[in-house]
Amino acid sequence: NAGVTQTPKFQVLKTGQSMTLQCAQDMNHNSMYWYRQDPGMGLRLIYYSASEGTTDKGEVPNGYNVSRLNKREFSLRLESAAPSQTSVYFCASSERDRGSAEAFFGQGTRLTVV
Amino acid sequence: QKEVEQNSGPLSVPEGAIASLNCTYSDRGSQSFFWYRQYSGKSPELIMFIYSNGDKEDGRFTAQLNKASQYVSLLIRDSQPSDSATYLCAGNTGNQFYFGTGTSLTVIP
Repeated sequence: NAGVTQTPKFQVLKTGQSMTLQCAQDMNHNSMYWYRQDPGMGLRLIYYSASEGTTDKGEVPNGYNVSRLNKREFSLRLESAAPSQTSVYFCASSERDRGSAEAFFGQGTRLTVV
Repeated sequence: QKEVEQNSGPLSVPEGAIASLNCTYSDRGSQSFFWYRQYSGKSPELIMFIYSNGDKEDGRFTAQLNKASQYVSLLIRDSQPSDSATYLCAGNTGNQFYFGTGTSLTVIP
């Protein structure tokens, strides 16, 4: 019962480098999300995907791109990392077709941009 | 204005006391509300959800929802040191979840 799996768990990037954060869920959920969490700012939505083949911007999309590769996988790409993107990133999934469906979270990726 | 507002705390209560955590929301279209607990360095985990006005109890936890006042709360009875964590309130509108900034709770032995 893996739930939501994120890779990597830790990453250090130099300014201007690119990287992709991977996320996969095995709960057959339709909706997937990428959040960033910064001290005092709570969880802020970067992008979400309501279903396979669709993606939408959240509160803080600038500097990021996403791909919903299939129903299981939702990746987040930083094309040119900036120090302001230093954060903890969480992927989550949810089954929106079911009443009060909660979001299940991955273990997080701690990203530092130097 | 943020969709969901929480008092960031910190909130300290002695062991065995009742901890009261509060949250307000701005979107009357929000359908469901969730309380997550997050230990330092870990991911959020669901404690309870509520979508009907009134109280919902689960063990030591009681969630309360007042849609007229746009207010959600979480009561933790018989608080334990293991309850020390940050508690996140979230509302759900359509396909999105809106999180508050979290309230830090410390239970003092």
